[in-house]
Amino acid sequence: AQSVAQPEDQVNVAEGNPLTVKCTYSVSGNPYLFWYVQYPNRGLQFLLKYITGDNLVKGSYGFEAEFNKSQTSFHLKKPSALVSDSALYFCAVRDPGGTGRRALTFGSGTRLQVQP
Amino acid sequence: GAGVSQSPSNKVTEKGKDVELRCDPISGHTALYWYRQSLGQGLEFLIYFQGNSAPDKSGLPSDRFSAERTGGSVSTLTIQRTQQEDSAVYLCASSLGGPHEQFFGPGTRLTVL
Repeated sequence: AQSVAQPEDQVNVAEGNPLTVKCTYSVSGNPYLFWYVQYPNRGLQFLLKYITGDNLVKGSYGFEAEFNKSQTSFHLKKPSALVSDSALYFCAVRDPGGTGRRALTFGSGTRLQVQP
Repeated sequence: GAGVSQSPSNKVTEKGKDVELRCDPISGHTALYWYRQSLGQGLEFLIYFQGNSAPDKSGLPSDRFSAERTGGSVSTLTIQRTQQEDSAVYLCASSLGGPHEQFFGPGTRLTVL
């Protein structure tokens, strides 16, 4: 079975500082990994994904994430946080294997609070 | 272009009543997913449709829940004899399948009194 852990319920960072939102995963094969963001009273918006290739992937709004196979991690990063980045962030995994679930398994979410 | 749309945006119902939630996916997307987001519970997979294949119903919490997808497009999630624990935001997503990302609709907030 596939699973995702987001160990931090909330991350606080000052505007202009770098931010990291942590994610670790468990799948039987090579994973497809995703980050989504949810603003209040809105649906989930796709940020970025890792499928294969370069371990550092870049996405929307200046976000990036690094796939680390040995640590089974896919942490979300941004060099300089903005107040408008404050939102709920979800990491998700999909096992592309033949017996794996085709739908995404989501982490519990991390609330990012960027202080002015 | 148009994104995923869901209706109604809000639904308040009484315990024991049946409800139907609708999802219009992005045109051309072969895969359609239903998830449930409960307060403090995160996102929970319910059901997945891919083309003409049999749906993956492994996430449905009970036999009161069912879903269909007509003509490979619009999907309806039906909850029979609603219970208070069914109260949640029901999210629909669609994708091109495979490694492609899912695009989510705004959700239907269901409140069972």
